[in-house]
Amino acid sequence: KAGVTQTPRYLIKTRGQQVTLSCSPISGHRSVSWYQQTPGQGLQFLFEYFSETQRNKGNFPGRFSGRQFSNSRSEMNVSTLELGDSALYLCASSLAPGRGTDTQYFGPGTRLTVL
Amino acid sequence: GESVGLHLPTLSVQEGDNSIINCAYSNSASDYFIWYKQESGKGPQFIIDIRSNMDKRQGQRVTVLLNKTVKHLSLQIAATQPGDSAVYFCAENIMTDKLIFGTGTRLQVFP
Repeated sequence: KAGVTQTPRYLIKTRGQQVTLSCSPISGHRSVSWYQQTPGQGLQFLFEYFSETQRNKGNFPGRFSGRQFSNSRSEMNVSTLELGDSALYLCASSLAPGRGTDTQYFGPGTRLTVL
Repeated sequence: GESVGLHLPTLSVQEGDNSIINCAYSNSASDYFIWYKQESGKGPQFIIDIRSNMDKRQGQRVTVLLNKTVKHLSLQIAATQPGDSAVYFCAENIMTDKLIFGTGTRLQVFP
């Protein structure tokens, strides 16, 4: 069974631009979560989607948004990029949300560099 | 955003020795805990998990111990190998699918 896939793997943008990242969950997984990883702040939760609905959201500004499609694939968008948005963006999938006891499996991440 | 610490502690062990990586979690209401391993250039890889109604769980070469009294989690790796070199993260979950990650510990295995 294929794992979580993320595209693109690497991206370079300039300040003020916007970016869209894509995530395809493991087949059969319906919940997708996004995390941002930076050396200074570590791994931080962005948001989680299930059945095309955002269920949880972390403490990030409104420039960060996401969506989920009927096939469970998810995208996240960052508008008006800032230098501090440079990070590894990780997507994780799990079978379905519940009491948080389904294991989340991570993709390889998208490395975003903002110049 | 939520964050847990700015410094990455390092544990250096000799190949063949046992490793113990510790983690203090933040919320006494957390009911599910996971250890992840992250190698350079890759996403976190699931190692082992434990529910709050347990205090010990064993996998292949790995054991997780949970002490809810002091909110402490540990990962024990038996007979550490060079391939175990990575950053290890603990994560806690509080009845949602929003994982809260620890700072991470870098494990270095030397011959």
